Amino acid sequence: GDSVTQMEGPVTLSEEAFLTINCTYTATGYPSLFWYVQYPGEGLQLLLKATKADDKGSNKGFEATYRKETTSFHLEKGSVQVSDSAVYFCALSGGSQGNLIFGKGTKLSVKP
Amino acid sequence: NAGVTQTPKFQVLKTGQSMTLQCAQDMNHNSMYWYRQDPGMGLRLIYYSASEGTTDKGEVPNGYNVSRLNKREFSLRLESAAPSQTSVYFCASNPKTSAGNTIYFGEGSWLTVV
Repeated sequence: GDSVTQMEGPVTLSEEAFLTINCTYTATGYPSLFWYVQYPGEGLQLLLKATKADDKGSNKGFEATYRKETTSFHLEKGSVQVSDSAVYFCALSGGSQGNLIFGKGTKLSVKP
Repeated sequence: NAGVTQTPKFQVLKTGQSMTLQCAQDMNHNSMYWYRQDPGMGLRLIYYSASEGTTDKGEVPNGYNVSRLNKREFSLRLESAAPSQTSVYFCASNPKTSAGNTIYFGEGSWLTVV
């Protein structure tokens, strides 16, 4: 079945460092791909998405490109801030009902 | 806009007790979902509802029941709570139309079963 694999955390970075969180997927067909972010004590918020190959999703300085050839959707940010500390989830749209299949999440901690 | 609202936010239950988590969305979305989030497991789908009056099992439905009361509301019931059901529960909705196919989440319900 469809699945998402993302890098294990936690990831600890200094402020202004470059961030990459790897995400690869296995799916039949051509799913949409998503990154969600969860701040401490809160629900999940959509960070960005891409609906077809070579699309780049971007938001709040984060970017991810839908790479069909490598089945990847890696999240990047050029300069992280303390306020980016959160758990990041990669997901794909699976099944006819529009539900999401999630990776296990990557916790990011950014130190001043 | 309220979006997806779920209650209660926190609950402690004793083993064997029952309870219902309530969820409502005001976005006129067709599809609604219940997920649970456990450390190191990501989010797993418990049940979903494609439209009013229909429900289907997800990945981890055992020990739960759901009701899609109307288009707005989708409740999750634990008939006899077990410690293994200690988790954070998220309700979500999806317009599931050609205009959009993005899932929106509620803020979560932290449930502890002792």
